[in-house]
Amino acid sequence: EAGVAQSPRYKIIEKRQSVAFWCNPISGHATLYWYQQILGQGPKLLIQFQNNGVVDDSQLPKDRFSAERLKGVDSTLKIQPAKLEDSAVYLCASSLDRGTARTGELFFGEGSRLTVL
Amino acid sequence: KQEVTQIPAALSVPEGENLVLNCSFTDSAIYNLQWFRQDHGKGLTSLLLIQSSQREQTSGRLNASLDKSSGRSTLYIAASQPGDSATYLCAVRGNYGQNFVFGPGTRLSVLP
Repeated sequence: EAGVAQSPRYKIIEKRQSVAFWCNPISGHATLYWYQQILGQGPKLLIQFQNNGVVDDSQLPKDRFSAERLKGVDSTLKIQPAKLEDSAVYLCASSLDRGTARTGELFFGEGSRLTVL
Repeated sequence: KQEVTQIPAALSVPEGENLVLNCSFTDSAIYNLQWFRQDHGKGLTSLLLIQSSQREQTSGRLNASLDKSSGRSTLYIAASQPGDSATYLCAVRGNYGQNFVFGPGTRLSVLP
């Protein structure tokens, strides 16, 4: 079974530029998450989708971050304009959760490491 | 608000030793708890998932226990190997639709 796919693996940009990350979850997984992980810390949730609807985006800095999950499969996370403090690893995860069937186990991709200069 | 801590932040042991990693959480109303491994520069790999009704889960040399009343989970690694060197994170999911809250991780080094 293919895992969660993410690209690009690495990205270096200057502040105020824009960047986009892509994620394809495990086939059949209804729920998709984007996390931000700063060096030395645990992942912090940015946004959760169930199918193509947003369930939780309370911690997403909406003035500069946006995300979409068209057709309920793959997803894109965009940052525009980037700030120095956005340097982090952006992790995509998926789970089987569907409605009230919360099997709950999270599966992560390899992450996209962003460096903002 | 759920808070998750992991102590120690780093641990170094000789190969072959049995070891315990700790995870503490402040709100005992949890749905489940998941342990992950993260190799340097990589994503998180799921190790064990414990539902709130379970007391422990085992996979190979790994055993995770859960004590909701005390807000604690432990990950036991038997006969540690250099290949076990990684950061181990726990994540807790609340009962009321809350998402996983992650601890900061314990960085483990197993010396040959």
